Order: sequence, then C-alpha cells, then structure tokens
Amino acid sequence: AQSVSQHNHHVILSEAASLELGCNYSYGGTVNLFWYVQYPGQHLQLLLKYFSGDPLVKGIKGFEAEFIKSKFSFNLRKPSVQWSDTAEYFCAVMLDGSSNTGKLIFGQGTTLQVKP
Amino acid sequence: DAGVIQSPRHEVTEMGQEVTLRCKPISGHNSLFWYRQTMMRGLELLIYFNNNVPIDDSGMPEDRFSAKMPNASFSTLKIQPSEPRDSAVYFCASMPGQGFGETQYFGPGTRLLVL
Repeated sequence: AQSVSQHNHHVILSEAASLELGCNYSYGGTVNLFWYVQYPGQHLQLLLKYFSGDPLVKGIKGFEAEFIKSKFSFNLRKPSVQWSDTAEYFCAVMLDGSSNTGKLIFGQGTTLQVKP
Repeated sequence: DAGVIQSPRHEVTEMGQEVTLRCKPISGHNSLFWYRQTMMRGLELLIYFNNNVPIDDSGMPEDRFSAKMPNASFSTLKIQPSEPRDSAVYFCASMPGQGFGETQYFGPGTRLLVL
C-alpha cells in the first residue's frame, strides 16, 4: 500500500539553526506533494505544495521544499528557525489515478521544538 | 472567505451518548473530507464526499460512525453510541475540485472527549 514516511518524529533546535525534515513516499506514479503545519492547539495550515514544474518550491514563512523524484522525497527546509516555528509538521501526498479522487496520505508528523 | 467552519469546537460527553459534529465547507468547494487525529494513530481519513456523494468510507471505524452531506454547504459526522476510545480531534477539510491537482483546506477541528 502507498505510504508516507517522516523519519524525524521529534526535532529540537535552537533559534537560528537550520532545519531539514525528511519525507519519503512509496508510489511509482505522478504525485502532488504537500507540507502542512499545525501550531499547538490549532488546525492544519498549508505551508507549501508541489504540483509540477520547478522541483524547488517556496512556501510561507521562509520554508522551502525540494522534490527529488528519483529518491521519492520531498524534504522541508528552513535556513534559520524561530521560536514561533515550534509546531507539528505533516508531509502529505496525493496520488494520481481515478480511484484516488483527491485523497491525501499523511505522514505521521514531526514535532519541532525550537528553544529560544 | 470564512474558511472551513466546524462546530462545536469542544465537546465533552459521557460514554453511550450520541455526538454530532458539524462542518460547513468553503463556499464553492465540491469535495469534503472528515479526518480524526489521535496521538497513537496520527491523522486518519474517515470518509470523503464529492458533490455531496460519499465516495469512500473505508476509514470509518465501525457502524457507530455515520456521516451525511445533505447539501453542498453542510456535513455531519455522528457517533452513536460514543465510547472513550473515540476521544480525538476531528477535522473537516474541503477542496475546490474533485481530485488530482487540488488543495485541501482544513477547519479548526472539534476536540471530543468521551468520559
């Protein structure tokens, strides 16, 4: 079955450190890729998405992600994190094909804690 | 745009009681999704609708759960009878179209506690 794997379950960084969160998926067809962020007690918000074109995608709040098709990966990066980036981050994949009709497959999430 | 609206935001009930969660999707969106989030299982898709029609309910845990979408602007998720293991945050999401190349937008969630 198709799946999404986020390797880092809990990441602790100091402010100004660089961030990279890993995301890999298992599916051989065409995909749409998403990163959502969930701040404590809040709902999921879209950080960025990849549909096609330039594999380096820039999102809100200085985040970016790179789609590497050969590695089935879509890693999230930020050069310098802030305390306000403390949140849970979810990678999600949408598969092509008529049977999938817009379903998202989510990874288990990565909790990021940024120390001031 | 008001975004996806869910009510109630918090619900505390006793085991055996009926619980109804409500969702109003973004106006003009054709697809609606119900998710459940728990610490143990993460985000699970329960059911989704396209043009008010249930497409896939394979994620619904058991017969105690049911969902309806009587029109394009309203959906309910009902649990009857509720059990403590149903305690979770339930999210509703909507999407403009029906499939690939679209983005889901999430509501604020309903935090359910079954005692």
